[in-house]
Amino acid sequence: DTGVSQDPRHKITKRGQNVTFRCDPISEHNRLYWYRQTLGQGPEFLTYFQNEAQLEKSRLLSDRFSAERPKGSFSTLEIQRTEQGDSAMYLCASSVAGGLNEQFFGPGTRLTVL
Amino acid sequence: GEDVEQSLFLSVREGDSSVINCTYTDSSSTYLYWYKQEPGAGLQLLTYIFSNMDMKQDQRLTVLLNKKDKHLSLRIADTQTGDSAIYFCAEPNDYKLSFGAGTTVTVRA
Repeated sequence: DTGVSQDPRHKITKRGQNVTFRCDPISEHNRLYWYRQTLGQGPEFLTYFQNEAQLEKSRLLSDRFSAERPKGSFSTLEIQRTEQGDSAMYLCASSVAGGLNEQFFGPGTRLTVL
Repeated sequence: GEDVEQSLFLSVREGDSSVINCTYTDSSSTYLYWYKQEPGAGLQLLTYIFSNMDMKQDQRLTVLLNKKDKHLSLRIADTQTGDSAIYFCAEPNDYKLSFGAGTTVTVRA
């Protein structure tokens, strides 16, 4: 296993369009997280899954954002009616429950909304 | 645990030591983490420290924890050009991590 992968790596879209990102976690990692990182800031938590259950959503996650993890493996993050303020790097991470709970991060999807 | 603070920039000469400082908010954190982010790459866990420790050494890295002041520092000995990156301290907040804004370390020859 080569780690957490994300697709696409870059996405440019026009305001008002919908976009969907995919994250493939490390095999057997039951926890999956989405974060958003803007320039000059650290990652901010968006949402968290344990297996297929979405257990927490941040206040940052407006109604235009939805995330799924249908089979407890890969996850998708959809943004509807994108706005320029959605431009950011979207990071996915995965971990195994318990102990250190080390989160392994993917390379991110950079979204630019024109 | 949402206000983790770090100094934003550090410039260091190659071969010198780097010290990156961080203050955190949640005194009940079991672990505290340092992550490294290189250009075009995801975050990588660099090191961590248990909250019952004052110091942890890992090769060129030394982590110091002052629980009374909620202060965490990362020292990199013999800083190399490959150490140029953004360094984030992070504390757990339930399952998620709260990150500082990151310290950009620039290593000059």
